[in-house]
Amino acid sequence: SAVISQKPSRDICQRGTSLTIQCQVDSQVTMMFWYRQQPGQSLTLIATANQGSEATYESGFVIDKFPISRPNLTFSTLTVSNMSPEDSSIYLCSVDIQGAGNEQFFGPGTRLTVL
Amino acid sequence: QKEVEQNSGPLSVPEGAIASLNCTYSDRGSQSFFWYRQYSGKSPELIMFIYSNGDKEDGRFTAQLNKASQYVSLLIRDSQPSDSATYLCAVKDNYGQNFVFGPGTRLSVLP
Repeated sequence: SAVISQKPSRDICQRGTSLTIQCQVDSQVTMMFWYRQQPGQSLTLIATANQGSEATYESGFVIDKFPISRPNLTFSTLTVSNMSPEDSSIYLCSVDIQGAGNEQFFGPGTRLTVL
Repeated sequence: QKEVEQNSGPLSVPEGAIASLNCTYSDRGSQSFFWYRQYSGKSPELIMFIYSNGDKEDGRFTAQLNKASQYVSLLIRDSQPSDSATYLCAVKDNYGQNFVFGPGTRLSVLP
């Protein structure tokens, strides 16, 4: 498994501003993922972040809205830009551990409220 | 489009009973299947994974996979109130790196 931390754990932001969420892992991992979980919903993948390359975004998510950095094998950031109330959600990072099942482990999440 | 379906619930079972959670998936190329538990306000935590047809047991949990029917289930024996949570089914194929999550089933174990 892996120990994953996220900052901030929660935030309340004003419409039109941006928030950068940090994800730190206690071991080097190749792949990191960013998910969004809206209230009462399941997880939706935003993008996959590999070190040394551009993030790969899923349908419906664009780099201008959700820029991602992956400067090394233990760290990534997700920025939610020009926020609106519809961006209120929990944002989760996860890592893919190349174990027996290639399972994913999740960070504790960042609860974002946009007013 | 790859889809994973689950009954949203809530599924209510009495304490000590067996809880049965079901999941179907659309992509026949799917190879690995995962069950996550998510308590309210917390992030998902992995319970177990399975990739071969048949049963896989881990303590009170048994995962069952039937690739021909594109069906995976999770049985929880001797259910406890602490098992009350949302259970997420996730599916992965060998060609992609991404998981596809189902909508989750909310389980309520009544004392």
